[in-house]
Amino acid sequence: GENVEQHPSTLSVQEGDSAVIKCTYSDSASNYFPWYKQELGKGPQLIIDIRSNVGEKKDQRIAVTLNKTAKHFSLHITETQPEDSAVYFCAASLKAGGTSYGKLTFGQGTILTVHP
Amino acid sequence: SQTIHQWPATLVQPVGSPLSLECTVEGTSNPNLYWYRQAAGRGLQLLFYSVGIGQISSEVPQNLSASRPQDRQFILSSKKLLLSDSGFYLCAWNGGFQETQYFGPGTRLLVL
Repeated sequence: GENVEQHPSTLSVQEGDSAVIKCTYSDSASNYFPWYKQELGKGPQLIIDIRSNVGEKKDQRIAVTLNKTAKHFSLHITETQPEDSAVYFCAASLKAGGTSYGKLTFGQGTILTVHP
Repeated sequence: SQTIHQWPATLVQPVGSPLSLECTVEGTSNPNLYWYRQAAGRGLQLLFYSVGIGQISSEVPQNLSASRPQDRQFILSSKKLLLSDSGFYLCAWNGGFQETQYFGPGTRLLVL
């Protein structure tokens, strides 16, 4: 089955700096890669996702890059703000169909702390 | 728009007691539904998923069971809770052959 490794487990930055979180996956057939942000005591919220036919996607201060050959993808947050502090999860899945039904395999999470 | 609800929000139960957590989705039909457990605020472990009424797939052997009595209702149960069942339980859904999963607010369970 799919295995997703996420690094670093904790990340501390100063407000205004950039933050980068990296994930690697094992199944070359995976083609959908979402990123979730989870605030304390709440459910994860989707912040950005990318599909395997795209190498990069950007949404304001957040961007995701995908290297299919190396089987890794990264989340980039620029101009970080204290409200970006949260736990971030990457995930990977096969396109829903057959028996996969959009099942996601998650990384272990990164605790991001942005210091004012 | 679609909304996902979970209740209760928090629950404290003694070891050996039964459990019933409920998840409902509004604004969609025939969703795929998922139960996850999250221990110590890190890592989501998929417990069960369902692609239709009465159809349940289990990902890991455990003390829990799931049921889907209605199209948009997903229930997580246990006959006798263990200390190790403590955690944050999350329900999620996606539509048909969509990949993106949307999570509910979660239920925090503490077994004493």
